[in-house]
Amino acid sequence: RKEVEQDPGPFNVPEGATVAFNCTYSNSASQSFFWYRQDCRKEPKLLMSVYSSGNEDGRFTAQLNRASQYISLLIRDSKLSDSATYLCVVNNDRGSTLGRLYFGRGTQLTVWP
Amino acid sequence: DVKVTQSSRYLVKRTGEKVFLECVQDMDHENMFWYRQDPGLGLRLIYFSYDVKMKEKGDIPEGYSVSREKKERFSLILESASTNQTSMYLCASSLVGDTSTDTQYFGPGTRLTVL
Repeated sequence: RKEVEQDPGPFNVPEGATVAFNCTYSNSASQSFFWYRQDCRKEPKLLMSVYSSGNEDGRFTAQLNRASQYISLLIRDSKLSDSATYLCVVNNDRGSTLGRLYFGRGTQLTVWP
Repeated sequence: DVKVTQSSRYLVKRTGEKVFLECVQDMDHENMFWYRQDPGLGLRLIYFSYDVKMKEKGDIPEGYSVSREKKERFSLILESASTNQTSMYLCASSLVGDTSTDTQYFGPGTRLTVL
């Protein structure tokens, strides 16, 4: 079983739409959670960390449900520039400092005009 | 800003050649990582290092080795390149600390083609 599972999509939405991505992780001892964004032919970059209480950054809202081992990302008022692949990322090191992260395969989003 | 650089953006090698991919980070990070990324398979960890001269195998270390002689530099070596090693190779680094500092910063990637 993979450490992190994501729906690969693709999601094709019009500008202005709201879109949600979901992700599940297998290790209940995971401590840190992130969403990364990867543009076509570019490297992944941190979009936002995900906190237990949920957090928001402009049009982006991330939620964590530890009981269900489930992470979500909501994008409101989609822009053309949001088109990218979104990677769900989890730390499974049970509190060690080795810093290994586990990446989902990514969900592809295309926003059309 | 954290900067992670990789020696080449594009590389073409022949089967059987020894290939060196270099990665340098300028933020004094202890952890460094090498991944490969292939369509449909996502990012797969090859090797990582949490200190100078230390290395740990990732999920797909076969056919690869690494070297970490200096803190800022982490090299990936393909001892005898094969066509199934054609891929995008990404280097990353992160700070050792509590889990809130686990953010990994990636280099721009090296697209390696083995003929």
